[in-house]
Amino acid sequence: SQTIHQWPATLVQPVGSPLSLECTVEGTSNPNLYWYRQAAGRGLQLLFYSVGIGQISSEVPQNLSASRPQDRQFILSSKKLLLSDSGFYLCAWSAGVGTYQETQYFGPGTRLLVL
Amino acid sequence: GENVEQHPSTLSVQEGDSAVIKCTYSDSASNYFPWYKQELGKRPQLIIDIRSNVGEKKDQRIAVTLNKTAKHFSLHITETQPEDSAVYFCAQSGSNYKLTFGKGTLLTVNP
Repeated sequence: SQTIHQWPATLVQPVGSPLSLECTVEGTSNPNLYWYRQAAGRGLQLLFYSVGIGQISSEVPQNLSASRPQDRQFILSSKKLLLSDSGFYLCAWSAGVGTYQETQYFGPGTRLLVL
Repeated sequence: GENVEQHPSTLSVQEGDSAVIKCTYSDSASNYFPWYKQELGKRPQLIIDIRSNVGEKKDQRIAVTLNKTAKHFSLHITETQPEDSAVYFCAQSGSNYKLTFGKGTLLTVNP
């Protein structure tokens, strides 16, 4: 069966520091991968999605970037964090082939607090 | 662009009552509509979904109905229990297998 991992689970960072969040998927090949941000008490905002290695699409212009160095690895980065980057970061995957490519499954999330 | 309106934003019911959450969408080309449940501090979990070739789908106490002509779909929870308390999100599919989510409904089931 497929599983999705995210780390770290929680992170407290000062303003202006760099960021690297990692997401890995097991049990599937060539998945579609997504990064979402959820502010406290708010909805889900799609940040990036990827349909393959090195293929990244950005949904919202900001100081974040994403990379996919391996098939089942998705990384979210920032060179300088802002206070507004605080939130719950969720990685999700969907099947890369077949009928159900829209069905997304979420990882456990990383809670980021920027001080 | 794609847009999903979700109502109500909060819903409080007594245990055993039914709860209904409604969503309307703008992209008539969309053909996949999932519902997610998110408990406090946890990840969203897929609870049910429907594709546009059916009008209704049921899974035990949960059902989803879809009206493509009117471009709306609804989540129905019967015989609610306290463990149903959570935030529920609807979504519609779009280009490149992306999902557009509603803003969520906080459901509280009072014992």
